[in-house]
Amino acid sequence: GNSVTQMEGPVTLSEEAFLTINCTYTATGYPSLFWYVQYPGEGLQLLLKATKADDKGSNKGFEATYRKETTSFHLEKGSVQVSDSAVYFCALTLSGGGADGLTFGKGTHLIIQP
Amino acid sequence: EAGVAQSPRYKIIEKRQSVAFWCNPISGHATLYWYQQILGQGPKLLIQFQNNGVVDDSQLPKDRFSAERLKGVDSTLKIQPAKLEDSAVYLCASSLGAANEKLFFGSGTQLSVL
Repeated sequence: GNSVTQMEGPVTLSEEAFLTINCTYTATGYPSLFWYVQYPGEGLQLLLKATKADDKGSNKGFEATYRKETTSFHLEKGSVQVSDSAVYFCALTLSGGGADGLTFGKGTHLIIQP
Repeated sequence: EAGVAQSPRYKIIEKRQSVAFWCNPISGHATLYWYQQILGQGPKLLIQFQNNGVVDDSQLPKDRFSAERLKGVDSTLKIQPAKLEDSAVYLCASSLGAANEKLFFGSGTQLSVL
């Protein structure tokens, strides 16, 4: 079956530190990959996505590159801010036949300290 | 643009009781999803609708869970009878319907089964 594995949290960093949240996946086909973010008190929202190998998704200073050879989609940011504190979810979908619901990882809680 | 609306925001019931959740997706969105998010885990897809037809309900516990989307707009998810392990946040999401399309999530209904 399809699955997503993320690094365990919480991850605590100081402001302006470099961030990496690891994500690896298992899929029966060629998935599209996503990072969703959930800020405190808010609903899940799409952060970035990549639909094929070697694509790089980026948004709000965050980046992730679709690595087919390592089945990974690690999230990175060069300098984090307190406002980046949230729970981050890696997810995949396999489109085909219309059923394209997301498979999520367990989430990584990120805490940025001033 | 109005987002995905869900109600109620919170619900507390005793085991063996029944409960229903309501979702109003973004206007024009053909695809609607229900997810279950247990504390500390990522969201798990329960059911996907395309207009008013079911595309994927492979992970829906059909002995106690049911869902419908009449007229291809609003949707309700019902649990009857509820079990302790059903305590979770129930998320509704919608999209325009194309594969890899961005999902918009509601704020969810937090269910506690005592």
